[in-house]
Amino acid sequence: SQQGEEDPQALSIQEGENATMNCSYKTSINNLQWYRQNSGRGLVHLILIRSNEREKHSGRLRVTLDTSKKSSSLLITASRAADTASYFCATALNTDKLIFGTGTRLQVFP
Amino acid sequence: GAVVSQHPSWVICKSGTSVKIECRSLDFQATTMFWYRQFPKQSLMLMATSNEGSKATYEQGVEKDKFLINHASLTLSTLTVTSAHPEDSSFYICSASLRLLGEKLFFGSGTQLSVL
Repeated sequence: SQQGEEDPQALSIQEGENATMNCSYKTSINNLQWYRQNSGRGLVHLILIRSNEREKHSGRLRVTLDTSKKSSSLLITASRAADTASYFCATALNTDKLIFGTGTRLQVFP
Repeated sequence: GAVVSQHPSWVICKSGTSVKIECRSLDFQATTMFWYRQFPKQSLMLMATSNEGSKATYEQGVEKDKFLINHASLTLSTLTVTSAHPEDSSFYICSASLRLLGEKLFFGSGTQLSVL
């Protein structure tokens, strides 16, 4: 399977704390993307990082990419209860076809 | 941002019936749409790539005669689950690509299929 793996599978934190999720993948990529999914809903794109980039920021989100280790991390700073969701990394090679990771279920307690 | 509409949101059907799920790009033309399947608390598994005006490309292990995909226009792709069985019960999500905006995908809200 080409599917990437994420860890942890589940993460519970208090509001205000930072949440870090890691993603590992298996093949060479063109870019890596992070998506968020609220329970029983579709996915929302959060951030895209290209293979020649090492770090990217968007608001409270910080994404890193290490292509030598085939890994990425998503950091959510100053978490809020509304950040409770599942987070997926997804990798793209040379097409729009995305391969999703196994996901991290984040629970932020108020 | 671009909007993808997916209908129905949920459907319950009897075993043996066929179910059609629609995926529409509302404010852009999507030459490529993707269909994913997701089991509870699991990741999305790509089922097929739907290209406007041509046959869909199915992922390994996905039965093309079971999951019929039609992409008749630049704004509409349909997935028909034929002769549904309880093991077909799942969450089905479509997504569309708009190359002008880069590589990110826009997702529909998903369809929860329950086969009795």
